[in-house]
Amino acid sequence: QVQLVQSGAEVKKPGASVKVSCKASGYTFSNYYVHWVRQAPGQGLEWMGVLDPSDGRLTYSQKFQGRVTLTWDTSTTTVYMELSRLRSGDTAVYYCTREGIIVAGSNDHWGQGTLVTVSS
Amino acid sequence: DIQMTQSPSSVSASVGDRVTITCRASQGISSWVAWYQQKPGKAPNLLIYAASTLQKGVPSRFSGSGSGKDFTLTISSLLPEDFATYYCQQTDSLPRTFGQGTKLEIK
Repeated sequence: QVQLVQSGAEVKKPGASVKVSCKASGYTFSNYYVHWVRQAPGQGLEWMGVLDPSDGRLTYSQKFQGRVTLTWDTSTTTVYMELSRLRSGDTAVYYCTREGIIVAGSNDHWGQGTLVTVSS
Repeated sequence: DIQMTQSPSSVSASVGDRVTITCRASQGISSWVAWYQQKPGKAPNLLIYAASTLQKGVPSRFSGSGSGKDFTLTISSLLPEDFATYYCQQTDSLPRTFGQGTKLEIK
């Protein structure tokens, strides 16, 4: 079955970086985009960026440009999201989610979420 | 960026009620809208994509409609498990954007 399994919760100090992993299984990795979405406590959903594993194309939200980096390892079908220069406002649950490349427009599976807490 | 304006921000309803949530896009997006349900502490769950296509496994009391700029999610007869927060998302272009969410509460 399709699974997106994320790494565990992190606590970081302001100014540090965090790297969250998302291991995909149960489907053909190259057939689905992998998006990252975050949700601050009590707030809505915010899109951060997307990877197209079929050609390696990356697109980031302008809001996070320069601070977020997506990388991936095709051999382990794992996508990584690194966010740098953390501040308290980056405290949130971070989700990875897949969207079909051919049948687009539906994020049908999500990771379980990773809580990142930024605190001094 | 395409803005998605969702309303209402919260609604109180009873089991058995019909509820409608709306989303307006800041520009025309054809039928590129998805709807998600989210319960506390859980990841969002896809309900509807392409404005009106029901995701597999989602009960038929959920339906979506609209095209262009205006979209609706309707729950025809509320069950206790439907009390949650609902989000629309435009899937027309990047960056993807979400509505602010609608919290559906028990009256």
